[in-house]
Amino acid sequence: DAGVTQSPTHLIKTRGQQVTLRCSPKSGHDTVSWYQQALGQGPQFIFQYYEEEERQRGNFPDRFSGHQFPNYSSELNVNALLLGDSALYLCASSPGQGSTDTQYFGPGTRLTVL
Amino acid sequence: AQSVSQHNHHVILSEAASLELGCNYSYGGTVNLFWYVQYPGQHLQLLLKYFSGDPLVKGIKGFEAEFIKSKFSFNLRKPSVQWSDTAEYFCAVNAAGYGNNRLAFGKGNQVVVIP
Repeated sequence: DAGVTQSPTHLIKTRGQQVTLRCSPKSGHDTVSWYQQALGQGPQFIFQYYEEEERQRGNFPDRFSGHQFPNYSSELNVNALLLGDSALYLCASSPGQGSTDTQYFGPGTRLTVL
Repeated sequence: AQSVSQHNHHVILSEAASLELGCNYSYGGTVNLFWYVQYPGQHLQLLLKYFSGDPLVKGIKGFEAEFIKSKFSFNLRKPSVQWSDTAEYFCAVNAAGYGNNRLAFGKGNQVVVIP
């Protein structure tokens, strides 16, 4: 049973560019959440998708947007990249939106903005 | 919104020593609590979780955690660590209820076990 997968593994961009990160959830999971983990920090919640709609959002600007597809996979898009967007971006999937629906994390995409 | 505090960001100890990592959260309502672990080169994995019931929960690899509601704490313990426990440990919390499974994480504890 494949777990959560993410692509690409690493990415280097320059300031002002746009980036798209991809996530495939664990089999049987329909809810996808995205987190940003800066160096030396814990993951911070960006947003969550369920039934192809953004259901919850953390304290991130509109430059961060996403999408969920009918097969439950998801994309995270970041526009107008800033140096401060350099981080590990984690995708997590869960079998539902309930607070007891455990989130399973992928390996992450390491984004470096130069 | 919930917030989580973890102290002693870097911990170094010898094999067979006991480990205790503190976690305090701030939130006025009912919460669910989690400890995740990230081994070197691996992704975040769930170590244990508490939803309700017995406040002492046991997880994988001999870890346990105790929820003390009056202290807003969920401390992680292991009586005797092994070199393979070298990892980063994160405490996380969410507000109980449907549609609330977004997690708030602490900054993590980097634990190094010396053989």
